[in-house]
Amino acid sequence: DTAVSQTPKYLVTQMGNDKSIKCEQNLGHDTMYWYKQDSKKFLKIMFSYNNKELIINETVPNRFSPKSPDKAHLNLHINSLELGDSAVYFCASSQVQGRNEQFFGPGTRLTVL
Amino acid sequence: GQQVMQIPQYQHVQEGEDFTTYCNSSTTLSNIQWYKQRPGGHPVFLIQLVKSGEVKKQKRLTFQFGEAKKNSSLHITATQTTDVGTYFCAGHSGGYQKVTFGIGTKLQVIP
Repeated sequence: DTAVSQTPKYLVTQMGNDKSIKCEQNLGHDTMYWYKQDSKKFLKIMFSYNNKELIINETVPNRFSPKSPDKAHLNLHINSLELGDSAVYFCASSQVQGRNEQFFGPGTRLTVL
Repeated sequence: GQQVMQIPQYQHVQEGEDFTTYCNSSTTLSNIQWYKQRPGGHPVFLIQLVKSGEVKKQKRLTFQFGEAKKNSSLHITATQTTDVGTYFCAGHSGGYQKVTFGIGTKLQVIP
């Protein structure tokens, strides 16, 4: 069974479109995260949720909106996609914010044309 | 804000040589974690260090946490081709235990 799953794995879309990436974890963890990894492999945290509540919101454009319907799911919606949004987006989860190992999903490669 | 510097950014070694990557934080950390990301894969947790001066070993990998809890290192003895990948440190500090990843060290092992 996959611990942290993301869909879709690949996403190719035109500039200006709106898209969503879904994430689910079956580990019973309280905390979930979204990371962006750019072409230089730099891994930057975007959001962190603890029990469905937003804990960390880094300097991310308002076009990015996370939604956590329950503590096993954390989705990422992106409005008005721009070329610079092209990257690999990783979802992750951990038992406790910052104190335990993070389990990463397989990633979603987003390409904006 | 918190910064975590990691060097080197790239390292090519002959198989059998040793390899070390270093992390330096601008603030005192509550813990530091290390992750490995294989090409095309996702980061996978290796270890967490919590105590000042802590040293942990996993087979050929040795992890150290500095006395001041601001720096850490990962040393691989006698590298193998299976060690290829990018190694990230991730420092945790602050009220919400914010995590900051280093830029990563990409290791290439030449057979």
